Amino acid sequence: EAQVTQNPRYLITVTGKKLTVTCSQNMNHEYMSWYRQDPGLGLRQIYYSMNVEVTDKGDVPEGYKVSRKEKRNFPLILESPSPNQTSLYFCASGPLGTYGYTFGSGTRLTVV
Amino acid sequence: KNEVEQSPQNLTAQEGEFITINCSYSVGISALHWLQQHPGGGIVSLFMLSSGKKKHGRLIATINIQEKHSSLHITASHPRDSAVYICAVRLGGNNDMRFGAGTRLTVKP
Repeated sequence: EAQVTQNPRYLITVTGKKLTVTCSQNMNHEYMSWYRQDPGLGLRQIYYSMNVEVTDKGDVPEGYKVSRKEKRNFPLILESPSPNQTSLYFCASGPLGTYGYTFGSGTRLTVV
Repeated sequence: KNEVEQSPQNLTAQEGEFITINCSYSVGISALHWLQQHPGGGIVSLFMLSSGKKKHGRLIATINIQEKHSSLHITASHPRDSAVYICAVRLGGNNDMRFGAGTRLTVKP
């Protein structure tokens, strides 16, 4: 089944403890991206990647890192999480061109 | 002012009604997406447009590049169409995405 898999689905962590949210797709898509969704602010793009070893900042990249060492994986790294990074995170992937994206199921992160 | 504005914010319809959701943007774009977010939180990509019109089942999406406006139409609405519909644009010149605040649609039986 074609899908984008995010892990974990839920995570509660403490301020400053490094964490990684994984994202993997099995559709050989070039494009992958991370978003966060917050009440009243909607969806905002964090980082995106057009292909292996190519990453770019989105609208709200501060406090996040990403890497694209393989085409299928695009992990989101929070080196030192803070409470303002408590949010619902989505990963998405898509082929280049005018095609829609496939979204992961989301990761609800709480930083205390 | 937001770069992407949607209207209405909330919409309640009776089953069978024709529904229109509007999206206006103020920036140069290379493509526009319509997304559907289910009550459980999952997001589905409905359309990606760079010009003209696309149709999938009861859903139709149009875009007017000159007027910087897009519409999503739902014909013969059904309670299962109840969701939040989100307009998103891919900025021209790069691949940054900007999102509208969403339109919450409720279709009553």
